[in-house]
Amino acid sequence: AQRVTQPEKLLSVFKGAPVELKCNYSYSGSPELFWYVQYSRQRLQLLLRHISRESIKGFTADLNKGETSFHLKKPFAQEEDSAMYYCALLTGGGNKLTFGTGTQLKVEL
Amino acid sequence: GAGVSQSPSNKVTEKGKDVELRCDPISGHTALYWYRQSLGQGLEFLIYFQGNSAPDKSGLPSDRFSAERTGGSVSTLTIQRTQQEDSAVYLCASSLVSAGAEDTQYFGPGTRLTVL
Repeated sequence: AQRVTQPEKLLSVFKGAPVELKCNYSYSGSPELFWYVQYSRQRLQLLLRHISRESIKGFTADLNKGETSFHLKKPFAQEEDSAMYYCALLTGGGNKLTFGTGTQLKVEL
Repeated sequence: GAGVSQSPSNKVTEKGKDVELRCDPISGHTALYWYRQSLGQGLEFLIYFQGNSAPDKSGLPSDRFSAERTGGSVSTLTIQRTQQEDSAVYLCASSLVSAGAEDTQYFGPGTRLTVL
């Protein structure tokens, strides 16, 4: 069965420090992975998807099939990055998202 | 245009009562999804509608849960005989065509259900 693991419930970093939010997955098929973000009092929204291989708000994520990981990285954290981040795996023939439990990122000044 | 909307935003009910949660997807989106977010857990898939096809109900936790989508637009999630473990935030999402990794699910603000 598919599974997404985000081992950290809370990650606290200082402004300007590098950020890495960890995500590991388990899936027998070809994985399609996403990062979603939820800022305070806002709705859940897509941050990036691995097939785009693009940087959004300075964040990047590389799919590592050997390590079954899709870690989210940013070289220099900003205060506005503070939010809840969810890693998600597309399954069910391409229509269901299996989410991790989320990591709360707190960027301190 | 407007995003996905959900109503009510908050619902408090007593154990054993039935509740209905409503979702209005983005106009023109053919796919609609319901997820549940329980305290300390990730988002859990419940049900998926695509056009006129039979819904994928594989995520519904029990037969007390049901959902329908009328006219290919508005959806209602019904929970019968609510239990305290049903307390959660129920999220609705819609997407244009449900075409895999290039499709984007847009989420509503959620309905926070509290069962006393």
